[in-house]
Amino acid sequence: KAGVTQTPRYLIKTRGQQVTLSCSPISGHRSVSWYQQTPGQGLQFLFEYFSETQRNKGNFPGRFSGRQFSNSRSEMNVSTLELGDSALYLCASSLWAGGVADTQYFGPGTRLTVL
Amino acid sequence: KQEVTQIPAALSVPEGENLVLNCSFTDSAIYNLQWFRQDPGKGLTSLLLIQSSQREQTSGRLNASLDKSSGRSTLYIAASQPGDSATYLCAAGPGGGGADGLTFGKGTHLIIQP
Repeated sequence: KAGVTQTPRYLIKTRGQQVTLSCSPISGHRSVSWYQQTPGQGLQFLFEYFSETQRNKGNFPGRFSGRQFSNSRSEMNVSTLELGDSALYLCASSLWAGGVADTQYFGPGTRLTVL
Repeated sequence: KQEVTQIPAALSVPEGENLVLNCSFTDSAIYNLQWFRQDPGKGLTSLLLIQSSQREQTSGRLNASLDKSSGRSTLYIAASQPGDSATYLCAAGPGGGGADGLTFGKGTHLIIQP
C-alpha cells in the first residue's frame, strides 16, 4: 500500500507570494492533518480535515488555509508569504474521524523556503 | 494548554546499550500518546501508539510505557544499533475530541556509535 505522498517536495518563494501544497493520504484514510515544523517551534498543528470538512484548527493566522476533496486528497494554501513561513510542512493521514485518536502516518514533507 | 517535554535533548551511546528516552506532558487528559522517529530531512515514522487506557506497547526492540497520573511516558530501546540513530519525538493526543491535534515535544536526538 502506497504511503502518504506530498508534492512538491521543495519550494522556493518570495515574500508576498502565495503557495499551495498538496497531500495524498494512504488509500482508505479519510482524515488528513497538516503540521508545520521549524527549528525554533518544533512541530505545530495547523488543521485537520475529515470528509471534506475542517474539524480542528491550530493557532495560525488566517493566511493559512486548507481544503479536502472528495477523494480525501488535501491542499493547504499560504497567502502573502512571510520569511517566518519557511518550514517543513508535513501532512499526516489516519483511518477515521478524530484522526489524532488513531495512528498518524506522515508524508515526507514539503520544504518551503521564503526569500 | 498541553505542553510536552522530552529529556534529554540529545543522547550519544555505544552500540549494544539499552536506553530510555523520557517524555512528560502537563495535561493528563490525553486520548493517546504516540512515539515517532524522524530521520534527517524526512517525515515522521510512527513507532508506537499507546491508548489512554493502556500502560504499555511493544514492537520488536521497542517498548513504550504510559503513566497518565504522573504525566510521563518512556521509550525503551533494547540492544541499540547504529540504524536507530534518529530524532525521537513523542506526541500527546488531546482528550475530548482532538481540538488541537497532536502536541509534540521537541525531540531527543539519538546517536548510536558503532
